[in-house]
Formats: sequence, structure tokens, C-alpha cells
Amino acid sequence: AQSVTQPDIHITVSEGASLELRCNYSYGATPYLFWYVQSPGQGLQLLLKYFSGDTLVQGIKGFEAEFKRSQSSFNLRKPSVHWSDAAEYFCAVGNPGAGSYQLTFGKGTKLSVIP
Amino acid sequence: DADVTQTPRNRITKTGKRIMLECSQTKGHDRMYWYRQDPGLGLRLIYYSFDVKDINKGEISDGYSVSRQAQAKFSLSLESAIPNQTALYFCATSPTRNTGELFFGEGSRLTVL
Repeated sequence: AQSVTQPDIHITVSEGASLELRCNYSYGATPYLFWYVQSPGQGLQLLLKYFSGDTLVQGIKGFEAEFKRSQSSFNLRKPSVHWSDAAEYFCAVGNPGAGSYQLTFGKGTKLSVIP
Repeated sequence: DADVTQTPRNRITKTGKRIMLECSQTKGHDRMYWYRQDPGLGLRLIYYSFDVKDINKGEISDGYSVSRQAQAKFSLSLESAIPNQTALYFCATSPTRNTGELFFGEGSRLTVL
């Protein structure tokens, strides 16, 4: 069964500092990988996704993530955090089997940004 | 207007009451999902539907039922609510083509006393 681990429950960074949110997955082959963001009082929004190809993927709002097969990781990064990035971030893994799949979500990392 | 609309947004009810959460979408997607979010547990899939005649149980379907009334409508029911069903519930949609992206509603916060 597929699973996702986000080791950090809560991270606090200063505005303008760099950010890295960790995500490790367990899956028998190359999975589909996603990062979603949930702003307070809102539903989840897709930041970026990896299916295949270039292991460094760019997303919205200046985020990027790198797929590292050897480490079973898909860490999210941003070079300079803005106060509006304060939110909860969820990593998810999908099964690229034929026809359909379901996503398994991590437990989330809450990001706080200090002005 | 939101593409995925959930009603009610907030509901407080008592143990044993029947509750229905409704979801409607204007995205034209075939696939619809109900997730439950609990603090520290992330999102867990309750039910999903790939079309009007196809409904499937997810990871935590016990105590819940669903109805897909039309392509655009997917309702979640709690026949007899209990306190540990207190949570934030999300409806989501996705297109038939496996892009991997889910489109979420804004959530329905349910409190069972």
C-alpha cells in the first residue's frame, strides 16, 4: 500500500527566508506525486505535480519540488517566503495504474511566517 | 461563484441525528469524492464516484453513505451521527482523464455533540 510521511508537523520561518518542506513516500514503483496547499478556511489547491520526466518541477506561487527516487522523497521548496504563504501543506501520492487512482495524503505541515 | 460548492458550510447537530452534506459542481467533471479532514491526520477518503452509476467505498466508509443524484451532485449522509464524526468534510472533483488534480470545495465543518 502506498503511504506518505511529512516529518514536520509545524514549521516557522521568517518572511524572505528560504523554505523546504519534507515529504517521503512509500510505493512499489514510480508514483504520481503532488503538493497541495490549504489556506485558512479554504479547500486544498494544487501547487504542483510530478508524473515523469524532469525531476525538478515548477508550480504556482513560486514553489518547486524535486523528486529523488533514491531517497523516496519529493520535497517542496521556495527561495523566499512571503507572509501569504502561511498555510498548511499536504504531500500526496497517487497510483498511476490504468483507469483511475486515489490519492493518499500526508498528515500535513503547517507553515507559519514571521514578519 | 465557486466551481465546487458545499452546503452547509457549518453544522452543529446532536448524537443520533441524520445529517446530509451536499456537493454540487459546475466543472463538468465525472469524478467526485468525499474526504474527511481531522487535525493531525490529513485527509482520508470516505467515498468516491466515477459516474452516476459508479460508487465506491474509500478508506473510512463505515457510518457514511452517499448518493450521486446527477453528474453534478454528490451527497454524503450520516444516518446516525456520533461525536467522533466531528470533522471537516471536503468534496472534490476530477476530470476523467487522470491529470492527478483534485478540485476541492471550501469544506463543511460538522460538529456532533
